[in-house]
Amino acid sequence: DAMVIQNPRYQVTQFGKPVTLSCSQTLNHNVMYWYQQKSSQAPKLLFHYYDKDFNNEADTPDNFQSRRPNTSFCFLDIRSPGLGDAAMYLCATSGNGGSYEQYFGPGTRLTVT
Amino acid sequence: AQSVTQPDIHITVSEGASLELRCNYSYGATPYLFWYVQSPGQGLQLLLKYFSGDTLVQGIKGFEAEFKRSQSSFNLRKPSVHWSDAAEYFCAVENEKLTFGTGTRLTIIP
Repeated sequence: DAMVIQNPRYQVTQFGKPVTLSCSQTLNHNVMYWYQQKSSQAPKLLFHYYDKDFNNEADTPDNFQSRRPNTSFCFLDIRSPGLGDAAMYLCATSGNGGSYEQYFGPGTRLTVT
Repeated sequence: AQSVTQPDIHITVSEGASLELRCNYSYGATPYLFWYVQSPGQGLQLLLKYFSGDTLVQGIKGFEAEFKRSQSSFNLRKPSVHWSDAAEYFCAVENEKLTFGTGTRLTIIP
């Protein structure tokens, strides 16, 4: 089945230690998104790629970076995680054809110790 | 700017009872509207969407929603809930990006 895959599902990192979360998709969608979702809150868009074009949300901290080496993969890098960065990180994709429907992965739960 | 309001933070219903989750949006043009469901520790799953046409849309798992332009609403309904429907429900509006409401947590009691 076509899907959005996130690895790992659970990630523990230390305060200030860089961490990378990964997302892959088999849907061949051209748009990939990263959201941050804190407990009992709505997902908050961090940035997205339209093909190779990177689009950063204005309020996304510089501590968060992203890479998309090819259509299938997208990475979220947190350069110096703080305690406030502990959250669920959701990857999503959407395709062409005027469809705005986004397909979400299962998320990566990040814990910062 | 677009916005979405879900007035109910938490709703509890009995299994087998009907359900309505409220969603109001603020957007200048005809919106693209969505309902997503999120089970604990999981990603979001699309229940249904409205782009245009028939204002009553059917979704998965027996859910439906009705778009009412005059009320700026897109309420989600289900005639008879199951224990497996317990989850967080998010309404969202799309205009170049998805804007989510704050969510409604649904609890089902036997």
